[in-house]
Amino acid sequence: AQKVTQAQTEISVVEKEDVTLDCVYETRDTTYYLFWYKQPPSGELVFLIRRNSFDEQNEISGRYSWNFQKSTSSFNFTITASQVVDSAVYFCALSTGAGSARQLTFGSGTQLTVLP
Amino acid sequence: EAQVTQNPRYLITVTGKKLTVTCSQNMNHEYMSWYRQDPGLGLRQIYYSMNVEVTDKGDVPEGYKVSRKEKRNFPLILESPSPNQTSLYFCASSLFRAETQYFGPGTRLLVL
Repeated sequence: AQKVTQAQTEISVVEKEDVTLDCVYETRDTTYYLFWYKQPPSGELVFLIRRNSFDEQNEISGRYSWNFQKSTSSFNFTITASQVVDSAVYFCALSTGAGSARQLTFGSGTQLTVLP
Repeated sequence: EAQVTQNPRYLITVTGKKLTVTCSQNMNHEYMSWYRQDPGLGLRQIYYSMNVEVTDKGDVPEGYKVSRKEKRNFPLILESPSPNQTSLYFCASSLFRAETQYFGPGTRLLVL
């Protein structure tokens, strides 16, 4: 069975601080995909990144960066110089299985509040 | 514009009154899915569809029905809604099951 744990339920930072959102996953599959989604106060789910299990290169996109470490089964998300608009719930998700058995499992989410 | 649409966006109903939430995508995606989001539980999959006329249960299918008669549409049916189905519902689609899923705007349902 697969599982995604986001231990940080809520995080509050002051604008311009860096913040890291943790994601730990469990799976027995050797091929899998990891995702991050953002849910702003308006409620929609916005796709941020997709990573496959064979690519452990870290990725940077503007103020966002992702650190994928298979050794610790973690896929952490860092926002540099946070802004008020970053306030949202962030979900980490894991896609495992093969073919028709593939399943997407979400973590419980981390509520990030960036204070001005 | 490529998108997933859901209707209605907000719905208040009473216990036992059948309702349907529609979902449509214009990206020619094979895979569609329904999730419900509840506080502290993240998103849980209700049903999914690999293609037309192919549907299967997700993690929390009880009390729900779906159909996939056309590739673009995947309605969620609550035959006899109950208060524990009060939730935020999302429809999603992707090219294939392993690919990135794109979500609709969500439907907030309150069952009294």
